[in-house]
Amino acid sequence: AQSVTQLGSHVSVSEGALVLLRCNYSSSVPPYLFWYVQYPNQGLQLLLKYTSAATLVKGINGFEAEFKKSETSFHLTKPSAHMSDAAEYFCAVNHAGGTSYGKLTFGQGTILTVHP
Amino acid sequence: EAGVAQSPRYKIIEKRQSVAFWCNPISGHATLYWYQQILGQGPKLLIQFQNNGVVDDSQLPKDRFSAERLKGVDSTLKIQPAKLEDSAVYLCASSLVGDYGYTFGSGTRLTVV
Repeated sequence: AQSVTQLGSHVSVSEGALVLLRCNYSSSVPPYLFWYVQYPNQGLQLLLKYTSAATLVKGINGFEAEFKKSETSFHLTKPSAHMSDAAEYFCAVNHAGGTSYGKLTFGQGTILTVHP
Repeated sequence: EAGVAQSPRYKIIEKRQSVAFWCNPISGHATLYWYQQILGQGPKLLIQFQNNGVVDDSQLPKDRFSAERLKGVDSTLKIQPAKLEDSAVYLCASSLVGDYGYTFGSGTRLTVV
């Protein structure tokens, strides 16, 4: 069964600092991995996705993530935080096979706070 | 293109009452999902449709929850009777068949008192 663990429920950075949100996965098959962002009172917006092509994936708003099979990780980074990045971020793994094709399993989420 | 539409945005009901949520997916998206997001947790899949057939409803509490997808387009999720622990945001999402990473609606926030 697939699962996702996000390390750190809250991350706080200063504006302009590096953003690093950690995600580790467990999957019995090659995973497809995703990062979503959720702003208050809104749905989830796809930031980026890994679907077995390039291991370094670039997404919207300057975010990127690197798939590391040896570490079972898919950490999200952004070189310079902006105030508008403050939101909750979710890592997810896709069940790319069987009767649960398309189902996403989400981590618990990481709330990112950006200080001026 | 228009996004995934959900209504209502907010709903407050008393326990043991019934409630229904509506979702209109992106045009042409054959796959539709309902997720439940309890405060402080990640979303959890309740049910997945492909066209008007159910693909996965293993996590749907069938004694109180039901869902249907009319003519493979709009979908309705119903809770009857509601319990306090059903307080959550109910998210609808849709995708093309075989697409990875789908589009979510803004959700319906349900409060059961």
